[in-house]
Amino acid sequence: EDKVVQSPLSLVVHEGDTVTLNCSYEVTNFRSLLWYKQEKKAPTFLFMLTSSGIEKKSGRLSSILDKKELFSILNITATQTGDSAVYLCADAGNNRKLIWGLGTSLAVNP
Amino acid sequence: GAGVSQTPSNKVTEKGKYVELRCDPISGHTALYWYRQSLGQGPEFLIYFQGTGAADDSGLPNDRFFAVRPEGSVSTLKIQRTERGDSAVYLCASSATVGGSEAFFGQGTRLTVV
Repeated sequence: EDKVVQSPLSLVVHEGDTVTLNCSYEVTNFRSLLWYKQEKKAPTFLFMLTSSGIEKKSGRLSSILDKKELFSILNITATQTGDSAVYLCADAGNNRKLIWGLGTSLAVNP
Repeated sequence: GAGVSQTPSNKVTEKGKYVELRCDPISGHTALYWYRQSLGQGPEFLIYFQGTGAADDSGLPNDRFFAVRPEGSVSTLKIQRTERGDSAVYLCASSATVGGSEAFFGQGTRLTVV
């Protein structure tokens, strides 16, 4: 059965800290791995990763995929209180539907 | 439209009633997904459409749930004889292609069955 596992489930840091969120996956017919940030209702798209070893960056956020070890990490540097959210990882695996992890709940304290 | 639009944003209904949730995807997106999300959980897949057809409806929990997308654009998720356990946020997403491109989400419909 396809699955996506995220760790840690929750994390509390202080502003300015750097965090690394993990996502491991076991899927058949891997297509892409997606990261989303969810603050209220709807997840907002962050990154799509399809190739191993190529880092994607957007401001203080970056992400990379390791297709050999079947995981991805999301890094956030110099965290701010506005980064507080649930970060979701999803894989567009078998049957092409998104397989979601449970998310990492990040709280950034001032 | 500019983004995925879902209506209503909130719906409170009595147990046993019928509800319809609407999703208007990004123009030109062929793939449309429905998910539901309970507190503290990741989105749970319900169904996805490729064009007008339901390509995979394996996530629909039972026959009280049904979804349509008659013209390949707007989709409606229909829930009959609602139960309290149906209370959740129902999320719709669309993508340009299935699986190979990012999916963009609407703001969701918070359904509360009392």
